[in-house]
Amino acid sequence: QKEVEQDPGPLSVPEGAIVSLNCTYSNSAFQYFMWYRQYSRKGPELLMYTYSSGNKEDGRFTAQVDKSSKYISLFIRDSQPSDSATYLCAVASGNTPLVFGKGTRLSVIA
Amino acid sequence: SAVISQKPSRDICQRGTSLTIQCQVDSQVTMMFWYRQQPGQSLTLIATANQGSEATYESGFVIDKFPISRPNLTFSTLTVSNMSPEDSSIYLCSASTEINSPLHFGNGTRLTVT
Repeated sequence: QKEVEQDPGPLSVPEGAIVSLNCTYSNSAFQYFMWYRQYSRKGPELLMYTYSSGNKEDGRFTAQVDKSSKYISLFIRDSQPSDSATYLCAVASGNTPLVFGKGTRLSVIA
Repeated sequence: SAVISQKPSRDICQRGTSLTIQCQVDSQVTMMFWYRQQPGQSLTLIATANQGSEATYESGFVIDKFPISRPNLTFSTLTVSNMSPEDSSIYLCSASTEINSPLHFGNGTRLTVT
Protein backbone atom coordinates (compact mmCIF):
# COMPACT_ATOMS: atom_id res chain seq x y z
CA GLN A 1 0.00 0.00 0.00
CA LYS A 2 1.35 3.39 -0.96
CA GLU A 3 1.81 5.93 1.78
CA VAL A 4 -0.50 8.48 0.17
CA GLU A 5 -3.27 7.67 -2.28
CA GLN A 6 -4.87 10.34 -4.43
CA ASP A 7 -7.24 9.89 -7.33
CA PRO A 8 -5.47 11.41 -10.36
CA GLY A 9 -8.72 12.35 -12.09
CA PRO A 10 -9.10 14.18 -14.36
CA LEU A 11 -11.98 15.95 -12.70
CA SER A 12 -14.10 18.35 -14.73
CA VAL A 13 -16.69 20.63 -13.15
CA PRO A 14 -18.75 23.64 -14.27
CA GLU A 15 -17.87 27.09 -13.02
CA GLY A 16 -19.41 27.81 -9.64
CA ALA A 17 -19.45 24.19 -8.52
CA ILE A 18 -18.11 22.96 -5.19
CA VAL A 19 -15.05 20.79 -5.73
CA SER A 20 -13.98 18.05 -3.35
CA LEU A 21 -10.46 16.66 -3.59
CA ASN A 22 -9.35 13.81 -1.36
CA CYS A 23 -6.36 11.82 -0.19
CA THR A 24 -5.95 8.86 2.10
CA TYR A 25 -2.77 7.95 3.93
CA SER A 26 -1.58 4.80 5.61
CA ASN A 27 0.73 5.91 8.41
CA SER A 28 -1.00 7.18 11.54
CA ALA A 29 2.24 8.95 12.49
CA PHE A 30 1.63 11.60 9.84
CA GLN A 31 0.71 14.81 11.59
CA TYR A 32 1.37 17.59 9.07
CA PHE A 33 -0.91 18.00 6.09
CA MET A 34 -0.60 20.25 3.09
CA TRP A 35 -2.29 20.99 -0.18
CA TYR A 36 -0.42 22.36 -3.15
CA ARG A 37 -1.69 23.74 -6.44
CA GLN A 38 0.38 23.30 -9.57
CA TYR A 39 -0.34 25.10 -12.80
CA SER A 40 1.03 23.74 -16.03
CA ARG A 41 4.77 24.37 -16.38
CA LYS A 42 5.00 25.85 -12.90
CA GLY A 43 6.23 24.57 -9.56
CA PRO A 44 3.80 23.52 -6.81
CA GLU A 45 2.40 26.42 -4.78
CA LEU A 46 1.35 25.96 -1.17
CA LEU A 47 -2.39 26.43 -0.66
CA MET A 48 -3.13 25.09 2.80
CA TYR A 49 -1.14 23.80 5.77
CA THR A 50 -2.53 22.21 8.89
CA TYR A 51 -1.34 19.92 11.65
CA SER A 52 -4.54 19.00 13.44
CA SER A 53 -7.83 17.30 12.79
CA GLY A 54 -10.72 19.50 11.78
CA ASN A 55 -11.27 22.23 9.25
CA LYS A 56 -9.16 25.16 8.17
CA GLU A 57 -10.63 27.79 5.91
CA ASP A 58 -8.94 30.34 3.66
CA GLY A 59 -11.22 32.23 1.34
CA ARG A 60 -12.87 29.78 -1.03
CA PHE A 61 -10.66 26.93 0.14
CA THR A 62 -11.28 24.63 3.11
CA ALA A 63 -8.90 21.89 4.19
CA GLN A 64 -10.30 19.09 6.27
CA VAL A 65 -8.33 16.46 8.19
CA ASP A 66 -9.78 13.33 9.75
CA LYS A 67 -6.93 11.56 11.51
CA SER A 68 -9.13 8.72 12.74
CA SER A 69 -9.94 7.79 9.15
CA LYS A 70 -6.55 8.89 7.75
CA TYR A 71 -8.39 11.03 5.27
CA ILE A 72 -7.75 14.58 4.11
CA SER A 73 -9.85 16.76 1.84
CA LEU A 74 -9.70 20.07 0.08
CA PHE A 75 -12.94 21.84 -0.80
CA ILE A 76 -13.12 24.65 -3.30
CA ARG A 77 -16.27 26.76 -3.23
CA ASP A 78 -17.54 28.77 -6.18
CA SER A 79 -14.91 27.23 -8.42
CA GLN A 80 -13.43 29.42 -11.15
CA PRO A 81 -11.70 28.61 -14.43
CA SER A 82 -8.52 29.97 -12.82
CA ASP A 83 -8.72 27.07 -10.34
CA SER A 84 -7.95 24.67 -13.19
CA ALA A 85 -4.69 23.03 -12.13
CA THR A 86 -3.29 19.91 -10.54
CA TYR A 87 -3.81 19.67 -6.78
CA LEU A 88 -1.34 17.66 -4.71
CA CYS A 89 -1.74 16.58 -1.13
CA ALA A 90 1.33 16.09 1.04
CA VAL A 91 1.87 14.62 4.48
CA ALA A 92 4.76 14.49 6.91
CA SER A 93 5.68 13.21 10.34
CA GLY A 94 8.52 13.84 12.76
CA ASN A 95 11.76 14.11 10.86
CA THR A 96 10.70 12.44 7.65
CA PRO A 97 10.48 14.36 4.39
CA LEU A 98 7.14 15.27 2.86
CA VAL A 99 5.32 12.48 1.02
CA PHE A 100 3.20 13.64 -1.91
CA GLY A 101 0.13 12.19 -3.56
CA LYS A 102 0.11 11.84 -7.34
CA GLY A 103 -2.07 14.89 -7.78
CA THR A 104 -5.61 15.39 -9.08
CA ARG A 105 -6.02 17.24 -12.33
CA LEU A 106 -8.96 19.67 -12.12
CA SER A 107 -10.65 21.51 -14.96
CA VAL A 108 -13.28 24.17 -14.25
CA ILE A 109 -15.36 24.86 -17.33
CA ALA A 110 -16.77 28.35 -17.88
CA SER B 1 7.60 32.98 1.86
CA ALA B 2 10.88 32.23 0.12
CA VAL B 3 11.16 32.92 -3.59
CA ILE B 4 13.08 30.23 -5.43
CA SER B 5 14.71 30.80 -8.80
CA GLN B 6 15.81 27.82 -10.81
CA LYS B 7 17.74 27.67 -14.05
CA PRO B 8 17.75 26.57 -16.72
CA SER B 9 13.98 26.35 -17.02
CA ARG B 10 14.31 23.73 -19.72
CA ASP B 11 16.97 21.96 -21.71
CA ILE B 12 17.34 19.29 -24.33
CA CYS B 13 20.48 17.21 -23.86
CA GLN B 14 22.17 14.36 -25.59
CA ARG B 15 22.59 10.95 -24.08
CA GLY B 16 25.82 10.58 -22.10
CA THR B 17 26.20 14.27 -21.25
CA SER B 18 25.64 16.01 -17.91
CA LEU B 19 23.53 19.00 -16.91
CA THR B 20 23.87 21.16 -13.82
CA ILE B 21 20.74 22.84 -12.49
CA GLN B 22 21.06 25.86 -10.24
CA CYS B 23 18.73 26.89 -7.44
CA GLN B 24 18.83 30.28 -5.73
CA VAL B 25 16.64 31.25 -2.76
CA ASP B 26 16.04 34.89 -1.92
CA SER B 27 16.49 34.35 1.82
CA GLN B 28 18.42 32.03 4.08
CA VAL B 29 16.67 28.71 4.54
CA THR B 30 17.46 25.72 6.70
CA MET B 31 16.38 22.94 4.39
CA MET B 32 16.83 22.55 0.64
CA PHE B 33 15.62 19.57 -1.34
CA TRP B 34 15.66 18.28 -4.88
CA TYR B 35 12.64 16.48 -6.32
CA ARG B 36 11.88 14.76 -9.59
CA GLN B 37 8.44 14.85 -11.14
CA GLN B 38 7.66 12.50 -13.99
CA PRO B 39 4.44 12.73 -16.02
CA GLY B 40 1.49 11.31 -14.10
CA GLN B 41 3.61 10.62 -11.06
CA SER B 42 3.96 12.21 -7.66
CA LEU B 43 6.97 14.23 -6.65
CA THR B 44 9.84 11.96 -5.73
CA LEU B 45 12.49 13.20 -3.35
CA ILE B 46 15.99 12.77 -4.75
CA ALA B 47 18.01 14.15 -1.86
CA THR B 48 18.31 16.71 0.90
CA ALA B 49 21.00 19.26 0.15
CA ASN B 50 23.05 19.84 3.29
CA GLN B 51 25.03 23.01 3.66
CA GLY B 52 28.75 22.33 3.79
CA SER B 53 28.45 18.56 3.75
CA GLU B 54 27.40 15.68 1.53
CA ALA B 55 23.78 15.49 0.49
CA THR B 56 21.48 12.86 1.97
CA TYR B 57 20.11 10.65 -0.81
CA GLU B 58 16.85 8.74 -0.88
CA SER B 59 16.64 5.11 -1.83
CA GLY B 60 17.22 4.65 -5.53
CA PHE B 61 19.33 7.78 -5.98
CA VAL B 62 23.13 7.89 -5.75
CA ILE B 63 25.72 10.60 -5.56
CA ASP B 64 27.57 9.50 -8.69
CA LYS B 65 24.44 10.00 -10.78
CA PHE B 66 23.05 13.06 -9.01
CA PRO B 67 25.88 15.02 -7.35
CA ILE B 68 24.57 17.93 -5.28
CA SER B 69 26.31 20.93 -3.86
CA ARG B 70 25.14 23.45 -1.29
CA PRO B 71 27.92 25.92 -0.52
CA ASN B 72 25.72 28.29 1.54
CA LEU B 73 22.21 28.78 2.94
CA THR B 74 20.70 30.20 -0.25
CA PHE B 75 22.20 28.24 -3.16
CA SER B 76 22.33 24.66 -4.38
CA THR B 77 23.07 22.77 -7.57
CA LEU B 78 21.97 19.39 -8.84
CA THR B 79 23.88 17.68 -11.63
CA VAL B 80 22.30 14.94 -13.68
CA SER B 81 25.27 12.89 -14.89
CA ASN B 82 25.73 10.57 -17.86
CA MET B 83 22.16 11.17 -18.91
CA SER B 84 19.89 8.66 -20.59
CA PRO B 85 16.35 9.14 -21.96
CA GLU B 86 15.02 7.73 -18.67
CA ASP B 87 16.29 10.88 -16.97
CA SER B 88 13.83 12.99 -18.94
CA SER B 89 11.71 14.62 -16.26
CA ILE B 90 11.03 17.81 -14.37
CA TYR B 91 13.54 18.55 -11.62
CA LEU B 92 12.35 20.78 -8.81
CA CYS B 93 14.26 22.62 -6.13
CA SER B 94 12.46 23.30 -2.86
CA ALA B 95 13.23 24.93 0.46
CA SER B 96 11.81 25.36 3.91
CA THR B 97 12.80 27.02 7.15
CA GLU B 98 12.55 23.80 9.19
CA ILE B 99 11.70 20.12 8.81
CA ASN B 100 7.97 19.46 8.35
CA SER B 101 7.24 23.09 7.63
CA PRO B 102 5.73 23.78 4.22
CA LEU B 103 8.01 23.55 1.26
CA HIS B 104 8.29 26.28 -1.33
CA PHE B 105 9.20 25.30 -4.85
CA GLY B 106 10.91 26.76 -7.86
CA ASN B 107 9.29 26.43 -11.26
CA GLY B 108 11.40 23.45 -12.15
CA THR B 109 13.75 22.43 -14.93
CA ARG B 110 12.15 20.47 -17.75
CA LEU B 111 14.82 18.10 -19.02
CA THR B 112 14.57 16.10 -22.21
CA VAL B 113 17.30 13.62 -23.04
CA THR B 114 17.58 12.44 -26.64
